[in-house]
Amino acid sequence: DAGVTQSPTHLIKTRGQQVTLRCSPKSGHDTVSWYQQALGQGPQFIFQYYEEEERQRGNFPDRFSGHQFPNYSSELNVNALLLGDSALYLCASSHQGSYEQYFGPGTRLTVT
Amino acid sequence: GQQLNQSPQSMFIQEGEDVSMNCTSSSIFNTWLWYKQDPGEGPVLLIALYKAGELTSNGRLTAQFGITRKDSFLNISASIPSDVGIYFCAGLVSGSARQLTFGSGTQLTVLP
Repeated sequence: DAGVTQSPTHLIKTRGQQVTLRCSPKSGHDTVSWYQQALGQGPQFIFQYYEEEERQRGNFPDRFSGHQFPNYSSELNVNALLLGDSALYLCASSHQGSYEQYFGPGTRLTVT
Repeated sequence: GQQLNQSPQSMFIQEGEDVSMNCTSSSIFNTWLWYKQDPGEGPVLLIALYKAGELTSNGRLTAQFGITRKDSFLNISASIPSDVGIYFCAGLVSGSARQLTFGSGTQLTVLP
C-alpha cells in the first residue's frame, strides 16, 4: 500500500520564478492538505482540497494556489517566488471521514 | 490564530529513561495528534486523541488528551536510540475543515 508521494524531492529556483509541486495521496484518501515548514518550525497550513475544490485556506497570500485532480492527486503552485518561500513543503492526505492526516516526505524548495 | 506552546524545546536523555513532553494552548481543540519527524522526512503519525481525558498507547508511547481540552501530553517509556527525532503535537479546532495547528516541536536526543 503506497503512502503519500511527492515530487520533486528537491528544487532550486530563482526569486521571481514560479514553481509547481506535486502530491499523490495515500490509497483510499480523498482529501489533500498542503503545509509549509520553515527550518526549525512546525508545519504551517496552506490550504486543503476536497472534491477538486479548495475547502479551507490558511494565512498565505494569493501567490500560493493549488489544484486537485479527479484521481485525488494535487498540485501546489507558487508564483513570484520570494527568498522567504524557501522551506520544506509537505503534502498530507486523509479520508473525508477522518481527522488523521498522513504526510509525504516533502519537497525541499530553495529560492536564491 | 491559534498557537500551540510545546515544551520542552529540546531534551537530552540516557537510553532506557522515560520521557515526557507536553503541549498547551489558549484555545480548545477537539482532536490532538502527535507526530515524529526524522531529518529530511515528513512527519509520521504516532497517536490520535479524540476525547477529553482520553489516554491512548502505541507501544512504548502513551498520550493523553487534557481534561480542559487545551493541552495534551506524550510519554515515551524506556527510550531507545531510534526514538531520536523531533516530536510535534498538532490540534484540530472544532468546526475546522481539518486544518492542523502544529506546535514548535520537541527535539529528543537519546544518549547511549
